Amino acid sequence: GAVVSQHPSWVICKSGTSVKIECRSLDFQATTMFWYRQFPKQSLMLMATSNEGSKATYEQGVEKDKFLINHASLTLSTLTVTSAHPEDSSFYICSASPSLNTEAFFGQGTRLTVV
Amino acid sequence: AQKITQTQPGMFVQEKEAVTLDCTYDTSDPSYGLFWYKQPSSGEMIFLIYQGSYDQQNATEGRYSLNFQKARKSANLVISASQLGDSAMYFCAIPTGNQFYFGTGTSLTVIP
Repeated sequence: GAVVSQHPSWVICKSGTSVKIECRSLDFQATTMFWYRQFPKQSLMLMATSNEGSKATYEQGVEKDKFLINHASLTLSTLTVTSAHPEDSSFYICSASPSLNTEAFFGQGTRLTVV
Repeated sequence: AQKITQTQPGMFVQEKEAVTLDCTYDTSDPSYGLFWYKQPSSGEMIFLIYQGSYDQQNATEGRYSLNFQKARKSANLVISASQLGDSAMYFCAIPTGNQFYFGTGTSLTVIP
């Protein structure tokens, strides 16, 4: 199957700093990628849709100035958590699909801990 | 948006036994796909099985099978001959385009 790579797999940062998470589709091009957030024992909640060459679409309640998304190429989307706070600590995971209406391929996820 | 319900937050099953994980959904789409994913403690999402709404036969993939009842909007996952490695979170999901909507998940624990 298709491969989506996410980096880093875990990160610890100080409160107030910014953290960048990368999501790459390794063997296919993705005009759209998706960013999810997951709290322990809960479901994946869609944060935003990353669109290549245009602005991301954010879900209601997600601060676009805090969670900056850039999709500069057909194989790379980045999520930057700006001025991170302890409440931003969570599991972040991206997904992409090689074509419409097929299974989603997920990155390995990133466990963010803000101290 | 799709609405997906998994009514079993936690399930236990004896090793080598079969287990059924429930999933009901509500969608206005005339044609849709239903996916099941497994998420072990490492966090990765592993695709298990898929069924399209117009597929006539229930999908099977190795030890995984879908009990798909379209009229009831139900798509339960059956895992046969449970193994210790099956212990994980399980999510059913329906996409709109390539955007996936997930159920609340079921935590499955396989007991030796």
